[in-house]
Amino acid sequence: DAKTTQPTSMDCAEGRAANLPCNHSTISGNEYVYWYRQIHSQGPQYIIHGLKNNETNEMASLIITEDRKSSTLILPHATLRDTAVYYCIVRVTSGNTPLVFGKGTRLSVIA
Amino acid sequence: DTAVSQTPKYLVTQMGNDKSIKCEQNLGHDTMYWYKQDSKKFLKIMFSYNNKELIINETVPNRFSPKSPDKAHLNLHINSLELGDSAVYFCASSHQTGQGTHYGYTFGSGTRLTVV
Repeated sequence: DAKTTQPTSMDCAEGRAANLPCNHSTISGNEYVYWYRQIHSQGPQYIIHGLKNNETNEMASLIITEDRKSSTLILPHATLRDTAVYYCIVRVTSGNTPLVFGKGTRLSVIA
Repeated sequence: DTAVSQTPKYLVTQMGNDKSIKCEQNLGHDTMYWYKQDSKKFLKIMFSYNNKELIINETVPNRFSPKSPDKAHLNLHINSLELGDSAVYFCASSHQTGQGTHYGYTFGSGTRLTVV
């Protein structure tokens, strides 16, 4: 079962920052927070991951609270092509634990 | 291009038939997976192979048999297809342990299976 809670859906105006929240209050010390997204009719796509510190890459920023019980994925300037289902997943990076997907947040970027 | 590629992209077949879906990755990953996404859009892990060895089998019916001839390939064979097998099947690959710049999965573009 997924260990995260996300809103079912969100809207964002094109060009604005999209802030997607995720609660993971039962996260363990060795579990990372991963974000993936699935654009319609495509396979899931890795976005970013982090353990404790905030992370940034060319796609997004990940802000993890100090207690690690929640995080926020930030798309700084959302475009129509960012419309997708966004999945927040917690897992260890070693061993045989697979990615377990929850229901995710359906982000609609509106022109 | 480096990628995870699956064939075919679409597959329409009758109940009772046997079909295969192929997956190949050229990323040098040591672990490959099959996921099933049903009509409600839930993505569920089916199998995981590491270096050709089965490590995860998530209570999938025996009609589904993964085969990994080498660590770059993981094919999915389905016997006696049923209506409920209709779904999109995604192949993925990753490093099992923390190698590389990130430990994420790379997914293929999916195979839409329709059983009629």
